[in-house]
Amino acid sequence: DAGITQSPRHKVTETGTPVTLRCHQTENHRYMYWYRQDPGHGLRLIHYSYGVKDTDKGEVSDGYSVSRSKTEDFLLTLESATSSQTSVYFCATTPGLEPQYFGPGTRLTVL
Amino acid sequence: GQQVMQIPQYQHVQEGEDFTTYCNSSTTLSNIQWYKQRPGGHPVFLIQLVKSGEVKKQKRLTFQFGEAKKNSSLHITATQTTDVGTYFCAEYNFNKFYFGSGTKLNVKP
Repeated sequence: DAGITQSPRHKVTETGTPVTLRCHQTENHRYMYWYRQDPGHGLRLIHYSYGVKDTDKGEVSDGYSVSRSKTEDFLLTLESATSSQTSVYFCATTPGLEPQYFGPGTRLTVL
Repeated sequence: GQQVMQIPQYQHVQEGEDFTTYCNSSTTLSNIQWYKQRPGGHPVFLIQLVKSGEVKKQKRLTFQFGEAKKNSSLHITATQTTDVGTYFCAEYNFNKFYFGSGTKLNVKP
């Protein structure tokens, strides 16, 4: 697997608190993605980045923001977490029209 | 946005039986990728198809892309317990990947 790590791997937080998830890659891939995975919904794109400081929204971007200040790091922030954001979050990278390589995931629980 | 529909949602088979999952779109797909996710794991790329009518094989797995590029299938011959997991199809279009909802395969030994 490509060198993709996510931190934290597990997090429990309370409604209304800010949360930041980090994705780090060592592959120098241009594109990075954040997905959430919920039963019955497969993988849904939250935001993606096509270069440093270049990001765009996915299909479920409300309540989430992202930042990419370095090629290797892509941060996902929940400004004020809600219970509906309880999910498993995956980061993925790709150099282009190529396979995506996924990180191990972060399990987030919002109480 | 793009919509890729995947059926069935679940499939339970006896070890040794065959398994097929289907991916359908109402619009022409530019390409299709297939991923496998083991329980508790992350999706792992299996294969990419880009040409109309394309067929690719990986050991017991056969992948097809429809002639009209609106559907694709993954067929596993003689399933094994190691095939357990969720299989996803995805289309890559304009920098984004659009995933089907997945087919969860359970194999009884």
